[in-house]
Amino acid sequence: QQKVQQSPESLIVPEGGMASLNCTSSDRNVDYFWWYRQHSGKSPKMLMSIFSNGEKEEGRFTVHLNKASLHTSLHIRDSQPSDSALYLCAASTYAQGLTFGLGTRVSVFP
Amino acid sequence: NAGVIQTPRHKVTGKGQEATLWCEPISGHSAVFWYRQTIVQGLEFLTYFRNQAPIDDSGMPKERFSAQMPNQSHSTLKIQSTQPQDSAVYLCASSLDWGGRGTGQLYFGEGSKLTVL
Repeated sequence: QQKVQQSPESLIVPEGGMASLNCTSSDRNVDYFWWYRQHSGKSPKMLMSIFSNGEKEEGRFTVHLNKASLHTSLHIRDSQPSDSALYLCAASTYAQGLTFGLGTRVSVFP
Repeated sequence: NAGVIQTPRHKVTGKGQEATLWCEPISGHSAVFWYRQTIVQGLEFLTYFRNQAPIDDSGMPKERFSAQMPNQSHSTLKIQSTQPQDSAVYLCASSLDWGGRGTGQLYFGEGSKLTVL
């Protein structure tokens, strides 16, 4: 069973719409969460990180974290076709390797 | 900055042969990670080094797989007696300050696609 679980598996969003992605860790020791984005045929690139309870916004992207439930979510507003990609949630404890979920594939159609 | 460099980009081996994959991290980065990515299993953590020392190899298959970092400018992942199930994209990543309260981001290379026939 994956230690980092993401939902939904895939998401279709109209251009200009909102995409909401969820991620939960089953490892109660994790302290840090990241979101990475991987375009088709490319390697993952970090999108955002969050380490404290609450919300963090960068441009069209907002992440939330609830450390008590080990749940994080990523919201993309005003989605663009260039946002079509595999979104990977990752979690880690201090000094361990980063564990990724299977990802949510987002498709934004014009 | 050339980024993380991985070679070869593609490698085809026959079942039972050995495969060695190379990674050159970003200069000055202290941590190097190896991952394996497949459609079914996703991005699987294999192992990582900090300041060339192995720190966490909890994802490494105990048989046939080994990783080394002989100097700060390169790391290798060796797979002995390759099997078809080893076919995957192997990704190397480096981080400037991983382990310093876990705030460092990973920079991935473009990957080495291994195909075992």
